[in-house]
Amino acid sequence: QKEVEQNSGPLSVPEGAIASLNCTYSDRGSQSFFWYRQYSGKSPELIMFIYSNGDKEDGRFTAQLNKASQYVSLLIRDSQPSDSATYLCAVREGRRALTFGSGTRLQVQP
Amino acid sequence: SQTIHQWPATLVQPVGSPLSLECTVEGTSNPNLYWYRQAAGRGLQLLFYSVGIGQISSEVPQNLSASRPQDRQFILSSKKLLLSDSGFYLCAWSVIANSYNEQFFGPGTRLTVL
Repeated sequence: QKEVEQNSGPLSVPEGAIASLNCTYSDRGSQSFFWYRQYSGKSPELIMFIYSNGDKEDGRFTAQLNKASQYVSLLIRDSQPSDSATYLCAVREGRRALTFGSGTRLQVQP
Repeated sequence: SQTIHQWPATLVQPVGSPLSLECTVEGTSNPNLYWYRQAAGRGLQLLFYSVGIGQISSEVPQNLSASRPQDRQFILSSKKLLLSDSGFYLCAWSVIANSYNEQFFGPGTRLTVL
């Protein structure tokens, strides 16, 4: 059973701080990794993807991947109240459909 | 640009009634298509995926079925709904090329079975 684990939260950070969201996965064959943001009552929105070990930056977001440790994280710098949402980690092995974690709820306090 | 549509947006159905949810994609050809369900406060559960017309793979045995009558149309059906079928149903698409293509979601259908 392929699994993707996330702390359900809520993770509470003050406005302007760095939010760190973590995800571990069980399948060593996983090749691509995705972060989605889901606002309450809405569908998931893709915000970042990463394929290679190391860091990938896009604006205020940085995805970090460590395949040896089977660990992927998302950093959000200068967190804003509008970043308050549930963040879903997803992994894919080959051409299979994505396997999702249950998500971490982030609360950014003004 | 690509767009994915789902309808209806919300649906309230009695137990034992049939179900038909539709998903269409615009702006791309021969996409991979997926149906997911998200129960309240839970993660996304993959129900079906399709790599082409008439090609459906089921991930979870249940009283739901899926069909792909056209390249960019994906339909989720049930003959008799159960209370446990309530949830947020999401259709998604990705390009058939390799494992590195992103998957994009439609707006979803919120189904309540009473």
